[in-house]
Amino acid sequence: DQQVKQNSPSLSVQEGRISILNCDYTNSMFDYFLWYKKYPAEGPTFLISISSIKDKNEDGRFTVFLNKSAKHLSLHIVPSQPGDSAVYFCAGYAYNFNKFYFGSGTKLNVKP
Amino acid sequence: DTAVSQTPKYLVTQMGNDKSIKCEQNLGHDTMYWYKQDSKKFLKIMFSYNNKELIINETVPNRFSPKSPDKAHLNLHINSLELGDSAVYFCASSLGTLNTGELFFGEGSRLTVL
Repeated sequence: DQQVKQNSPSLSVQEGRISILNCDYTNSMFDYFLWYKKYPAEGPTFLISISSIKDKNEDGRFTVFLNKSAKHLSLHIVPSQPGDSAVYFCAGYAYNFNKFYFGSGTKLNVKP
Repeated sequence: DTAVSQTPKYLVTQMGNDKSIKCEQNLGHDTMYWYKQDSKKFLKIMFSYNNKELIINETVPNRFSPKSPDKAHLNLHINSLELGDSAVYFCASSLGTLNTGELFFGEGSRLTVL
């Protein structure tokens, strides 16, 4: 029962270009969506979040877009930097369930 | 100064053994979690404790027993280890039970059962 799905296991982008990471979900009860970034041998760290009542949230080079009708969200990184190379996890949170549901991650490689 | 620390980072053991993973957070958070990252890389919640009380217990075999001696610690004990228990286990904490913000994760403990 995977309520959050990241269908692209990996993505390779040239430095300076835009990285777009995608995430789909099935549970319309999610109240918040979050993106986490994970480097090898480290735990995931919080990157950016968006409320389900919004369609966009921006923080520096990172922007998350939410399309509720399509049950789809995306993370845009502009411009991409080699230090952005990591695994990115999408997560949904529902107050009712009091739980975070994570996707399987997308490994981003930003080439210098 | 690590916010969420878990030990050991690596653990290799034989089937049938009993092992523990410890977790401590120095963030003053009320809620702590154990997540399992399986072979398909999904992070799945196992347990959640708020102020030493169990609030989430997913469908996890009862060979897994969490223990929270105080709100800064949440340990995971696993009895009779099986091959399928091999995974990376992440401890995490958050400010409260109902929150929209961050989970703070430890570095993970890679368990390999032979």
